[in-house]
Amino acid sequence: DAKTTQPTSMDCAEGRAANLPCNHSTISGNEYVYWYRQIHSQGPQYIIHGLKNNETNEMASLIITEDRKSSTLILPHATLRDTAVYYCIVINRGGANSKLTFGKGITLSVRP
Amino acid sequence: DAGITQSPRHKVTETGTPVTLRCHQTENHRYMYWYRQDPGHGLRLIHYSYGVKDTDKGEVSDGYSVSRSKTEDFLLTLESATSSQTSVYFCAIRGQDYTEAFFGQGTRLTVV
Repeated sequence: DAKTTQPTSMDCAEGRAANLPCNHSTISGNEYVYWYRQIHSQGPQYIIHGLKNNETNEMASLIITEDRKSSTLILPHATLRDTAVYYCIVINRGGANSKLTFGKGITLSVRP
Repeated sequence: DAGITQSPRHKVTETGTPVTLRCHQTENHRYMYWYRQDPGHGLRLIHYSYGVKDTDKGEVSDGYSVSRSKTEDFLLTLESATSSQTSVYFCAIRGQDYTEAFFGQGTRLTVV
């Protein structure tokens, strides 16, 4: 599975959009981008995934560049409860024994 | 919530003793994973399973073994616990057709 690179941390103001970047320059054609988040001490939680089209669900939007080498997770109206570590991972969806590895993620701090 | 349970949730053990952590699922998912999480390291994959009796190593497998004799249970064993294995351990499951992964609540293990 391709590697991802994320900044270590970022912050944003409550009520504003939080844009979390992820670089995955070695992504291959059959690999999906997945985002998870981990709120303090809890198990990680799935947020959203995509292949090449932009995706939106009730939690967030995922914008993938046309060359698929990077993506941005957008939390449109961040709240204090969105303070968490966010992980961007790339998975070969057809891979029978995909390892599902996570990096260190990006720590998002939402300030009042 | 996905049917995934880790036991025990907390354990304190002495150096040199064997320890087994259990991950139990009721979803009949094919894939199961064990991770450890330490400050500054994010989530690191220990071992994973892609079917009954089919397991493979992750990033930090030294000192750990696993077994999966039936679909619903994935056991992580520390043959001789060391203080460096003090950590929070998470189990995850995911289905055959790449659905998102679901994580357990975690097991806090302290080796004294």
